[in-house]
Amino acid sequence: GEQVEQRPPHLSVREGDSAFITCTYTDPNSYYFFWYKQEPGASLQLLMKVFSSTEINEGQGFTVLLNKKDKRLSLNLTAAHPGDSAAYFCAVSAPGGNYKPTFGKGTSLVVHP
Amino acid sequence: NAGVIQTPRHKVTGKGQEATLWCEPISGHSAVFWYRQTIVQGLEFLTYFRNQAPIDDSGMPKERFSAQMPNQSHSTLKIQSTQPQDSAVYLCASSLDLWHSQNTLYFGAGTRLSVL
Repeated sequence: GEQVEQRPPHLSVREGDSAFITCTYTDPNSYYFFWYKQEPGASLQLLMKVFSSTEINEGQGFTVLLNKKDKRLSLNLTAAHPGDSAAYFCAVSAPGGNYKPTFGKGTSLVVHP
Repeated sequence: NAGVIQTPRHKVTGKGQEATLWCEPISGHSAVFWYRQTIVQGLEFLTYFRNQAPIDDSGMPKERFSAQMPNQSHSTLKIQSTQPQDSAVYLCASSLDLWHSQNTLYFGAGTRLSVL
């Protein structure tokens, strides 16, 4: 089955720096990719959902990159601020029915003022 | 829309006792998932239901864990004879339709289980 490896498990950056998180997956049929954010004490919330057809996706203060050739999904938080401190999880799923998304183990990000 | 509701938020049990965790999915969502979250293992899949039917329980420890969804408005995760290694945050999530793998999972706040 699908395997998702997320790196790094912990990341500490200064305010204004970039924070880069990467997930590699194994199933070449994977088509839907998700990033979830979990703030301390809160539930996971969707940050962005991307489809296999789009390689670069921009959100507010972050960019999601998809490299299908290398089977790599990345989240780049540009100019991180302390409010970005949270755990981030990637998830991957294949098209079709009866799926269950496969999650990475998560990255705990701390942004220091 | 209150989101996915999990109760209790915290549960403390003694070793060997039973723990039942409750989840109320978002109304209209047909898929319900259970995950276990620990610092060491991250987010571990346990089981999921579609239209109340169990679809995949491959992540469930077979001997002491069981999950049910008796109606579309709630699901339970039962752990018998709890052990200290069961201590974790148990997350429930629901999704609009399992047959569309692009659908977002909506997570509850979780139940923190502590086994003493």
